[in-house]
Amino acid sequence: AQTVTQSQPEMSVQEAETVTLSCTYDTSESDYYLFWYKQPPSRQMILVIRQEAYKQQNATENRFSVNFQKAAKSFSLKISDSQLGDAAMYFCAYKIDDNDMRFGAGTRLTVKP
Amino acid sequence: GAVVSQHPSRVICKSGTSVKIECRSLDFQATTMFWYRQFPKQSLMLMATSNEGSKATYEQGVEKDKFLINHASLTLSTLTVTSAHPEDSSFYICSARDSGQHEQFFGPGTRLTVL
Repeated sequence: AQTVTQSQPEMSVQEAETVTLSCTYDTSESDYYLFWYKQPPSRQMILVIRQEAYKQQNATENRFSVNFQKAAKSFSLKISDSQLGDAAMYFCAYKIDDNDMRFGAGTRLTVKP
Repeated sequence: GAVVSQHPSRVICKSGTSVKIECRSLDFQATTMFWYRQFPKQSLMLMATSNEGSKATYEQGVEKDKFLINHASLTLSTLTVTSAHPEDSSFYICSARDSGQHEQFFGPGTRLTVL
């Protein structure tokens, strides 16, 4: 079974600083997809960034980037120039082909002004 | 991105009644829809997966007779919580995906409170 582990229940960052959220996963597959979702207090799930396992290049979306280490099965999210609006729960997720998405336990990010 | 709506956003019901939650894909055809349950301060737990026109596939431990899922069209799936009890109180989230696509689009969720 595939599992997704987020070892940081809570993280805190100063506004304008950089923070990294960690995620590891367990799989025997070679082709899969990884995602980071943000869930603000509204509870709406918002896709932050996605990574295809076959791509070696790390995905980047503006202030958000990932460090994808396939051999280590690690998929961390780096948020640069943190903003107050970045405060939310962040979920790492894993998916194979047409199968459903599996989520980690989440990391609550607090941004201090 | 594509839009998925859920209705109602909040519902309060008495114990023993049934509640229906609708999930609609507004601008794409959702060949597959997923229903998740999220308890406070916890992650999303998959309850079931439904493909249009087929019976839903339920995750282990999820009672199919209690959580009825219907996916009769490419834009609508419904989750009916039958004979609801206080322990069914939770946040229910649906997501939808088009055929051949890898990204799932999430609805805004429905908060169910059973008194």
